[in-house]
Amino acid sequence: DAGITQSPRYKITETGRQVTLMCHQTWSHSYMFWYRQDLGHGLRLIYYSAAADITDKGEVPDGYVVSRSKTENFPLTLESATRSQTSVYFCASSEEREGWETQYFGPGTRLLVL
Amino acid sequence: QQQVKQSPQSLIVQKGGISIINCAYENTAFDYFPWYQQFPGKGPALLIAIRPDVSEKKEGRFTISFNKSAKQFSLHIMDSQPGDSATYFCAASSTLEYGNKLVFGAGTILRVKS
Repeated sequence: DAGITQSPRYKITETGRQVTLMCHQTWSHSYMFWYRQDLGHGLRLIYYSAAADITDKGEVPDGYVVSRSKTENFPLTLESATRSQTSVYFCASSEEREGWETQYFGPGTRLLVL
Repeated sequence: QQQVKQSPQSLIVQKGGISIINCAYENTAFDYFPWYQQFPGKGPALLIAIRPDVSEKKEGRFTISFNKSAKQFSLHIMDSQPGDSATYFCAASSTLEYGNKLVFGAGTILRVKS
């Protein structure tokens, strides 16, 4: 049982390039989330999804786009990467009955924007 | 705007000692307070959580103390072990507000010296 996986684990890109981070979960959880983790800021919510085709903005959505055509996948796209988007990105999921309360996190993607 | 303030930023404790991490919040609508534990290179994982109807919750060596009037909650790790060395995040959410989003503190890096 793979649980929740993220790819790539590490990514180096240049300013202005489009980057897509992938997230896949095998639990059929309804809720999925994208966070970024930066020193001194903890985890900040970028986007979330309550179900396939339902997404909404979190605390720091600017510069990011998400989609959720299938329950198990929740890709995050940086349309035009900026240096300020250098961060560690975590995907998470949770069961509908638990709502947002118990979130299961992936291993993270470390992104460096040059 | 960070709604959950966590302290200290880092903490060094001797093996067998007590580790204490504190969090304070402003939003009185918060009604769920989890702690997440994150090991290097891994995603955060739920450690323990509390609701405001109780003042304390204990699971093994980990205890949450909750002070509703002071709007503070803390994590106590008894008999701290080197394996407890990790980053700890407090968080809060509200079932009354749209989306029941988790708001995370900035994190505390705990090192337990053997």
